[in-house]
Amino acid sequence: QVQLVESGGGVVQSGRSLRLSCATSGFTFSIYGFHWVRQAPGKGLEWVALIWYDGSYTYYSDSVKGRFTISRDTSKNTVFLQMNSLRVEDTAVYFCVRDTYKFNAWGQGTTVIVSS
Amino acid sequence: DVVMTQTPLSSPVTLGQPASFSCRSSQSLVHSDGNTYLSWLQQRPGQPPKLLINKISDRVSGVPDRFSGSGAGTDFTLRISRVEAEDVGVYYCVQATHFPFTFGPGTMVDIK
Repeated sequence: QVQLVESGGGVVQSGRSLRLSCATSGFTFSIYGFHWVRQAPGKGLEWVALIWYDGSYTYYSDSVKGRFTISRDTSKNTVFLQMNSLRVEDTAVYFCVRDTYKFNAWGQGTTVIVSS
Repeated sequence: DVVMTQTPLSSPVTLGQPASFSCRSSQSLVHSDGNTYLSWLQQRPGQPPKLLINKISDRVSGVPDRFSGSGAGTDFTLRISRVEAEDVGVYYCVQATHFPFTFGPGTMVDIK
């Protein structure tokens, strides 16, 4: 079955870096775009980044542009989010989501806590 | 950026009764390819979101047919024909027509 499993979250100090991974299985990885979507504690959903199915395009929210980088490794069926210069306001559960226009499969999320 | 507005923000509903929730966008969500990328997601307590409907009214396989979506342009509606206890949660609309993609604030649904 379709699975997306995020990892790499943790507690980190403001200004430091973290790399999230999203391991996928159960479908043909190379034909899908992937998003990262985050949810701050007790808050709504915020779109963070998208990578095209072939990695040719990437898009970011203004709040993370220049600090975060989304990438993918087709040989590992894995999507990554490199997060640099982390801020307290980046504290959230980060979800990996499949499909460019549909958001039709979600992982369970990985928690990132940025301390001051 | 496209601003997504949802009303109401909170909706106590009665089991077995219909319910509807509104989502409005600050600009048309018709994509240059002719599609309107407006989706509805359900997030039950403690769970990741789940896609219910995409492109305004296409119900995802496995989603009960009591859920339906409608609308066009900037005004969209999610309807539940008969609310069941398992429908408790937060319902989000999201647009994937214009970058950056944006979510509505969500409508929290609970049982009266």
